[in-house]
Amino acid sequence: EIVLTQSPDFQSVTPKAKVTITCRASQSIGSSLHWYQQRPDQSPKLLIKYASQSISGVPSRFSGSGSGTDFTLTINSLEAEDAATYYCHQSSSLPETFGQGTKVEIK
Amino acid sequence: QVQLVESGGGLVKPGGSLRVFCAASGFTVSDYYMSWIRQAPGKGLEWVSYISSSGSTRYYADSVKGRFTISRDNAKNSLYLQMNSLRAEDTAVYFCARVGADFGAFDIWGQGTMVTVSS
Repeated sequence: EIVLTQSPDFQSVTPKAKVTITCRASQSIGSSLHWYQQRPDQSPKLLIKYASQSISGVPSRFSGSGSGTDFTLTINSLEAEDAATYYCHQSSSLPETFGQGTKVEIK
Repeated sequence: QVQLVESGGGLVKPGGSLRVFCAASGFTVSDYYMSWIRQAPGKGLEWVSYISSSGSTRYYADSVKGRFTISRDNAKNSLYLQMNSLRAEDTAVYFCARVGADFGAFDIWGQGTMVTVSS
């Protein structure tokens, strides 16, 4: 099973700041890494697919990068509505797995 | 509007069974791989199962293999998860999700249905 480890687990950030969340895979997964946002009491929402591909309707301040084992989700100019938990997910091999999540709080 | 709506969750005793449902609208479930993902209270996401677009291929997490069965009703454009021999550790919100056309990310999620296993 491929283990995804996110860092940090928690981040408290002021509005308009830049947020960087990393996801490290226990073995190479190419670019089969996706990012989701889960606001409190809501279902997850796809933000970025295949490491860096943007999703229609997702604000351009969200971007992703990386390949192999190391990936990054970047939120430029954080807004209040971005308060949420962010998860990475790998679809390279079964069982598909998720990172443990990174909670982003707005100061 | 592309949408998934789950139902059928509830309280069940350990060892019991439950079937949860997922109704799709705005697209045809038989055109996509579909999946179930769960989230225990206050915890992260865990992939549970998926079914191929043809229905011929089904995969399960080791934690549910032999106890859960994923299926689909094309006429009703719906997805199901039959859960048997339920354990306390199966307590979670169960989400159905569509696998995107490029077979990677889960691009559409339902709102989830809560399953509680407790005596």
